[in-house]
Amino acid sequence: DVKVTQSSRYLVKRTGEKVFLECVQDMDHENMFWYRQDPGLGLRLIYFSYDVKMKEKGDIPEGYSVSREKKERFSLILESASTNQTSMYLCASSPRQGHGYTFGSGTRLTVV
Amino acid sequence: GQQLNQSPQSMFIQEGEDVSMNCTSSSIFNTWLWYKQDPGEGPVLLIALYKAGELTSNGRLTAQFGITRKDSFLNISASIPSDVGIYFCAGMNYGGSQGNLIFGKGTKLSVKP
Repeated sequence: DVKVTQSSRYLVKRTGEKVFLECVQDMDHENMFWYRQDPGLGLRLIYFSYDVKMKEKGDIPEGYSVSREKKERFSLILESASTNQTSMYLCASSPRQGHGYTFGSGTRLTVV
Repeated sequence: GQQLNQSPQSMFIQEGEDVSMNCTSSSIFNTWLWYKQDPGEGPVLLIALYKAGELTSNGRLTAQFGITRKDSFLNISASIPSDVGIYFCAGMNYGGSQGNLIFGKGTKLSVKP
């Protein structure tokens, strides 16, 4: 069964901490994405990547960075966590363009 | 970024009722997708539509790709309690950054108290 795995289901971090959210896919997909989901705002794209070591900004990249050193792994980094980054974070992957995404189960991050 | 208009935002269902939701866009798309998100989980693909006018079913779910390529609808027949969740539409075009999915804000289905 193909999968997108997010390393943590729930995380609680303190303001100012550096936070790493990890995502791994086993489908040999080219494209990977990070979204955040907030009530009433839907899914908002933070960053995406079409290839190893490649990254592009989505709609709300401020306060975030990403790393893609290997094809199967796409990491989201909160350089200095803030309370307004409390959210549900979803990772997704897809084959080359024109295909739907497969999502992970999400990481619910709380910044206190 | 670009957004799709998805309606209704929320609705309450009673077991056995039929449910309809739709999505509209000011832009045309080559592909329409419908996802369902159960509470505490990531979205899961329900139906993919690739051709204008296409009508596709998946069990009790039926979705259509509008002829104008600017809209799509999803129907659920004879709803059951496990249908609750958030349903997202998504549109996509091929090529460059346009190959990314554009999501609606979701329709939240709940059970009538």
